[in-house]
Amino acid sequence: DGGITQSPKYLFRKEGQNVTLSCEQNLNHDAMYWYRQDPGQGLRLIYYSQIVNDFQKGDIAEGYSVSREKKESFPLTVTSAQKNPTAFYLCASMAGTGARRQPQHFGDGTRLSIL
Amino acid sequence: GIQVEQSPPDLILQEGANSTLRCNFSDSVNNLQWFHQNPWGQLINLFYIPSGTKQNGRLSATTVATERYSLLYISSSQTTDSGVYFCAVAPNFGNEKLTFGTGTRLTIIP
Repeated sequence: DGGITQSPKYLFRKEGQNVTLSCEQNLNHDAMYWYRQDPGQGLRLIYYSQIVNDFQKGDIAEGYSVSREKKESFPLTVTSAQKNPTAFYLCASMAGTGARRQPQHFGDGTRLSIL
Repeated sequence: GIQVEQSPPDLILQEGANSTLRCNFSDSVNNLQWFHQNPWGQLINLFYIPSGTKQNGRLSATTVATERYSLLYISSSQTTDSGVYFCAVAPNFGNEKLTFGTGTRLTIIP
């Protein structure tokens, strides 16, 4: 089945640790996105990538880093500089741009908690 | 940046009732999506509807782009419709970044 796979589903981090969240898609989509969701809130964009080897900061990029070495993979690293990392993280992908744009599709998310 | 407002913030209905959820946005858009987030956090695409009207079973949506709003209609509500409904938009001449509203929490009582 085609889709977006996020792993792990739950992740615990100690203070001062970096952790990496995985996002893989087999939909052959060019664009991929990372969002953060806090309780009772909507989603906020962290980083996005519209093509391999290129990515852009979203609205809340501080304390996060990404890479896009392969079309199907867009891992997110939550660094120790992110002071409040406890949240639900969602990855999305999308095909096409402009008039050929398709809807964004989402993975099932990773819940990150601080020990 | 573009602003997205959803109303009402909370809605509690009896099973079988109909509901209308509203999304207002502050600028012209070339992408508007409605999502349902279930209690497990999964975000499900409902509609991709930057303009016009679409229907899918008991759900339908209308976007009036010139007046900058969209409506999501749910008819004959079921308990499985419970969850949070999000509207998300991307502005014209933007870079495909979606901005989300804060959602409408729908609770359907048996």
